[in-house]
Amino acid sequence: AQTVTQSQPEMSVQEAETVTLSCTYDTSESNYYLFWYKQPPSRQMILVIRQEAYKQQNATENRFSVNFQKAAKSFSLKISDSQLGDTAMYFCAFVPFGNEKLTFGTGTRLTIIP
Amino acid sequence: DTGVSQNPRHKITKRGQNVTFRCDPISEHNRLYWYRQTLGQGPEFLTYFQNEAQLEKSRLLSDRFSAERPKGSFSTLEIQRTEQGDSAMYLCASSYGTIYEQYFGPGTRLTVT
Repeated sequence: AQTVTQSQPEMSVQEAETVTLSCTYDTSESNYYLFWYKQPPSRQMILVIRQEAYKQQNATENRFSVNFQKAAKSFSLKISDSQLGDTAMYFCAFVPFGNEKLTFGTGTRLTIIP
Repeated sequence: DTGVSQNPRHKITKRGQNVTFRCDPISEHNRLYWYRQTLGQGPEFLTYFQNEAQLEKSRLLSDRFSAERPKGSFSTLEIQRTEQGDSAMYLCASSYGTIYEQYFGPGTRLTVT
């Protein structure tokens, strides 16, 4: 069984600063996808970024980037130049190839302070 | 493309009543998923459809829960004889092909009193 652990229940940073959210996972699979999802208050979950495990290059999407360390089973999310609209719950999620079931962590509540 | 929609957005029911939720996926998405999210937790997988076939069910989906996806379009999730422990946000998601990216709806918040 796969598990996803997010060890930071809450974080807060000043607007325009950089923040890193941590995620570790446990699996015996060698091929899988990792995702970061954002869930703003009272709004639906949005995919922020995804990483294929077979790719060594870290994924980036504008101000969002990941640090994927396959051997350490670590997948952190870096948000640069943070904005007020980044305030949300952030969930790390995992799915093995050939499987359809996303396994989520417990989330990190991120607050951007004006 | 209007995204995944779910109805109702909120449902309050008394223990023992039956409830039904509806999910309309993004058009042409052949995969549809149901998740349950309780306060302070990440979503937990309940079940998954590819077209009209229900291919996987979680152990969380007790006999009181049933899901359908007639004609491979919208889906319904029914909970019979609701219990207070069923109170949660029920999320629907859809995807297509082998992209593995799931697009979520706004959820239905169920409160069982």
